[in-house]
Amino acid sequence: QKEVEQNSGPLSVPEGAIASLNCTYSDRGSQSFFWYRQYSGKSPELIMSIYSNGDKEDGRFTAQLNKASQYVSLLIRDSQPSDSATYLCAVNNYGQNFVFGPGTRLSVLP
Amino acid sequence: GAGVSQSPSNKVTEKGKDVELRCDPISGHTALYWYRQRLGQGLEFLIYFQGNSAPDKSGLPSDRFSAERTGESVSTLTIQRTQQEDSAVYLCAGSGRVGDEQYFGPGTRLTVT
Repeated sequence: QKEVEQNSGPLSVPEGAIASLNCTYSDRGSQSFFWYRQYSGKSPELIMSIYSNGDKEDGRFTAQLNKASQYVSLLIRDSQPSDSATYLCAVNNYGQNFVFGPGTRLSVLP
Repeated sequence: GAGVSQSPSNKVTEKGKDVELRCDPISGHTALYWYRQRLGQGLEFLIYFQGNSAPDKSGLPSDRFSAERTGESVSTLTIQRTQQEDSAVYLCAGSGRVGDEQYFGPGTRLTVT
């Protein structure tokens, strides 16, 4: 059973702080990794994709991947109340289906 | 249109009726996925299509569920003899190919009374 695990939260951070979201996965053959944001009542929205070990930065978001530890994280700098949402980690082994984690609910407090 | 579209946006049906949900993917997206999301829950994979290959139906919860897609066009998800536990949001997503970034449609909220 291929699994993706995330802390369900809620993770509460003050406005302007760094939010750190973590994800672990069980399938060592996983090749691609994604973070999605889902606002309440809306569909998931792609934030970042990462394919290689290390960091990938896009604006206030940084994804970090460590395949040896089977760990992927998302850092959100200068968190804003508008970042309050559920963040979904997704993992794919090419040619196979995506596996989504259960999501971490983030609350950014003004 | 520029994005993935789904219809209807909301569907209320009586227990035992059949329903058909539609997904219109982004042009050129060869891979298409269906997910179910119950209230407050995560995404549950149902089925995916990749071009003209046989679909991966491993996530379909029962034989009441079926889906079709011809080539890289519209897909329909059919639920026969609906049950109350089928109430959920059904999400469709597309990607250029399996393993690439997925882009989700707005979903269809199904309520079975």
